[in-house]
Amino acid sequence: AQSVTQLDSQVPVFEEAPVELRCNYSSSVSVYLFWYVQYPNQGLQLLLKYLSGSTLVESINGFEAEFNKSQTSFHLRKPSVHISDTAEYFCAVSESEGNEKLTFGTGTRLTIIP
Amino acid sequence: ETGVTQSPTHLIKTRGQQVTLRCSSQSGHNTVSWYQQALGQGPQFIFQYYREEENGRGNFPPRFSGLQFPNYSSELNVNALELDDSALYLCASSRQGRFNEQFFGPGTRLTVL
Repeated sequence: AQSVTQLDSQVPVFEEAPVELRCNYSSSVSVYLFWYVQYPNQGLQLLLKYLSGSTLVESINGFEAEFNKSQTSFHLRKPSVHISDTAEYFCAVSESEGNEKLTFGTGTRLTIIP
Repeated sequence: ETGVTQSPTHLIKTRGQQVTLRCSSQSGHNTVSWYQQALGQGPQFIFQYYREEENGRGNFPPRFSGLQFPNYSSELNVNALELDDSALYLCASSRQGRFNEQFFGPGTRLTVL
């Protein structure tokens, strides 16, 4: 069975500083990886995804994540954060094509300090 | 284009009661998935519906059941509510296919007393 570990439940970062949110997964087969963001009182929004090809994937708002198969990781990074990045971030994994069941981590709350 | 909507926003029930949560999928989407997000946890997959049939289920007991209607909207029913059923219930819609993005609704907050 697949599982996702997000070791950091909360990450406080000063505005314009870099940030890394860690995600490790466990699976016996090939996986597909996702980062979702949840702003206060809103639903989840897809931030970026890795399905195949280049191991470095980017979002339109400056986040990037790198799939590392040997370390079973998919860490999320941003070189310079803004107040608007304050949110809960969830890493998710899926093994199957077809019903696309997502297994989520417990989330990391990113707080930006002005 | 209307996004995924869920109703009601909040709900309070007592232990042993039954509850129905509703989800309207985004226009053009034919697949609906339901997730339970307990406080401080990530969402957990309950089940998915495609063309009005259950298309995959997570580790939830049979008292969690669902329906999908011809217009692709969906219901989640929970019987014999337990205190641990208190959570945010999320609905996500998508087009069936290879990892087409799932679009999530804002959720229904269920409190069981």
